Amino acid sequence: DTGVSQDPRHKITKRGQNVTFRCDPISEHNRLYWYRQTLGQGPEFLTYFQNEAQLEKSRLLSDRFSAERPKGSFSTLEIQRTEQGDSAMYLCASSITAEQYFGPGTRLTVT
Amino acid sequence: GEDVEQSLFLSVREGDSSVINCTYTDSSSTYLYWYKQEPGAGLQLLTYIFSNMDMKQDQRLTVLLNKKDKHLSLRIADTQTGDSAIYFCAPEGGGSQGNLIFGKGTKLSVKP
Repeated sequence: DTGVSQDPRHKITKRGQNVTFRCDPISEHNRLYWYRQTLGQGPEFLTYFQNEAQLEKSRLLSDRFSAERPKGSFSTLEIQRTEQGDSAMYLCASSITAEQYFGPGTRLTVT
Repeated sequence: GEDVEQSLFLSVREGDSSVINCTYTDSSSTYLYWYKQEPGAGLQLLTYIFSNMDMKQDQRLTVLLNKKDKHLSLRIADTQTGDSAIYFCAPEGGGSQGNLIFGKGTKLSVKP
């Protein structure tokens, strides 16, 4: 069991550019979550997949954000036309039962 | 909306017990979790409690749940310098998706 992995670990981009992050959950975990964490705050829920179906999206997830989990395994989170307010740590978690295991996160800096 | 409140800081001496408290508003949480986050790292699941339990012990960790008062606490016995980190209380939000609601976290500092 290698744990949840995320790629890249760090991303610096200019305002207005698009970015895409990848999350590989623990093998056989059917549930996958994306959260966002800003400095000094706890993580905030963004969206949730059960297998390949996106079942819940937070109000935080504006139209510039899109997430996919095409075959029910890895997931991608894309942010279009990035803004400085998008700078944060993007965390992915997976579960099969009650326990959610988090990846190391992707730190996004928008300049 | 759903809310989770924690004290922001706690300082203890090595070898003492630490108690981190949390209050929450969503009474429908089925599971309530404690996570640990070290600087620059992701979240490590420490323990969790099912909502029909009052207490759960797991080695040096004891979780107490007062569902009536919507109060959750984490006790760390024999606190070590390696326990210095931010601790997050995270009850499940309402609904079936199981997303977690996090507070701002409690920064635990352990002095030798």
